[in-house]
Amino acid sequence: DAGVIQSPRHEVTEMGQEVTLRCKPISGHDYLFWYRQTMMRGLELLIYFNNNVPIDDSGMPEDRFSAKMPNASFSTLKIQPSEPRDSAVYFCASSLALTAEAFFGQGTRLTVV
Amino acid sequence: GQNIDQPTEMTATEGAIVQINCTYQTSGFNGLFWYQQHAGEAPTFLSYNVLDGLEEKGRFSSFLSRSKGYSYLLLKELQMKDSASYLCAVRSPYSGAGSYQLTFGKGTKLSVIP
Repeated sequence: DAGVIQSPRHEVTEMGQEVTLRCKPISGHDYLFWYRQTMMRGLELLIYFNNNVPIDDSGMPEDRFSAKMPNASFSTLKIQPSEPRDSAVYFCASSLALTAEAFFGQGTRLTVV
Repeated sequence: GQNIDQPTEMTATEGAIVQINCTYQTSGFNGLFWYQQHAGEAPTFLSYNVLDGLEEKGRFSSFLSRSKGYSYLLLKELQMKDSASYLCAVRSPYSGAGSYQLTFGKGTKLSVIP
């Protein structure tokens, strides 16, 4: 398996624009996680899915953020409208179970100017 | 709330041993993970402890004391490629329907020098 695949690797956008980040989890993994990493706050869990169903979205900062998982092999994280404070590295991760290790994608470095 | 503390930075010499500590205060406990993250890359899994004691895996070992809310990662025979950030993460029950949350510390940046 190629591991967790995220796209794009880098995204630069202007404030107010919509941004969509994409993730393909490892085949067979039932759990998918979206994290955000910044120097100030470290790695923060935004939302996670189990079998395509959102289980816990308490980490989503505000209504500008939304995530979907239409099928077992694809998820998106959308920010609309984007703001400079959203600049961070966004990681997607997947795991077989909550008790198992998570495998991370290479991340998307988002810069909002 | 959840609180995880790690030293921000550490420096050690190639070939030496280094211990990276992690203390946590969480509402409940269901396991502790250590991840390694090289600059600009994704975190990768190193170890998992759910019971007290030492787990050894090659040059890396991880220790857990649940009563003290304490863990450490021990790296032996340090190599230059071990220069990275080391993240401690604690899984704890979440109030939502049988779910768990994984809270990460801010990481310890380890620099290995010749």
